[in-house]
Amino acid sequence: DVKVTQSSRYLVKRTGEKVFLECVQDMDHENMFWYRQDPGLGLRLIYFSYDVKMKEKGDIPEGYSVSREKKERFSLILESASTNQTSMYLCASSLSGSNQPQHFGDGTRLSIL
Amino acid sequence: TQLLEQSPQFLSIQEGENLTVYCNSSSVFSSLQWYRQEPGEGPVLLVTVVTGGEVKKLKRLTFQFGDARKDSSLHITAAQPGDTGLYLCAGSGNQFYFGTGTSLTVIP
Repeated sequence: DVKVTQSSRYLVKRTGEKVFLECVQDMDHENMFWYRQDPGLGLRLIYFSYDVKMKEKGDIPEGYSVSREKKERFSLILESASTNQTSMYLCASSLSGSNQPQHFGDGTRLSIL
Repeated sequence: TQLLEQSPQFLSIQEGENLTVYCNSSSVFSSLQWYRQEPGEGPVLLVTVVTGGEVKKLKRLTFQFGDARKDSSLHITAAQPGDTGLYLCAGSGNQFYFGTGTSLTVIP
């Protein structure tokens, strides 16, 4: 089974801090994704990566950056956390190809105080 | 702008009832997927539909892809408490787009 592991289930940070969310997948998937999930808005794509050191902006990249130095690891960085970034963050991975299913981690609930 | 709109947003029904969830868009997708998410977990894929008009069945769940590949529906027959969860549709084009979600509660 595909395993996508997010480093923290819950995280509390302060406004202005630099925050790192880590995600690791163990199935050699080419694609990796970061989403945020808010009530009534579904999942919104922040960034995705289709290869090592490659990244593409999603729908809401402002205030975020990403890093993919190794195929199995995709990091989401909040450069200077703000209260409007309080949310559930979900990481996913998939094989290459537009119809491939995405496999998700269990999410990180991030609170910015 | 939300490409995929789901309705209803919330649904609470009694065990044994039938229900339909809709996923609508003005965009055409090469495929559409349905996921279910339970509290504290990430979404899990239920089905992928690729061909316009395609119907797929998964036990008591029936999924249909619209003829024009712009919309989809999920029908659940004789709902059970274990069906409770957040149902998400997702369309594949040049990017992956998730719907707004339908939160289903089945009351025993």
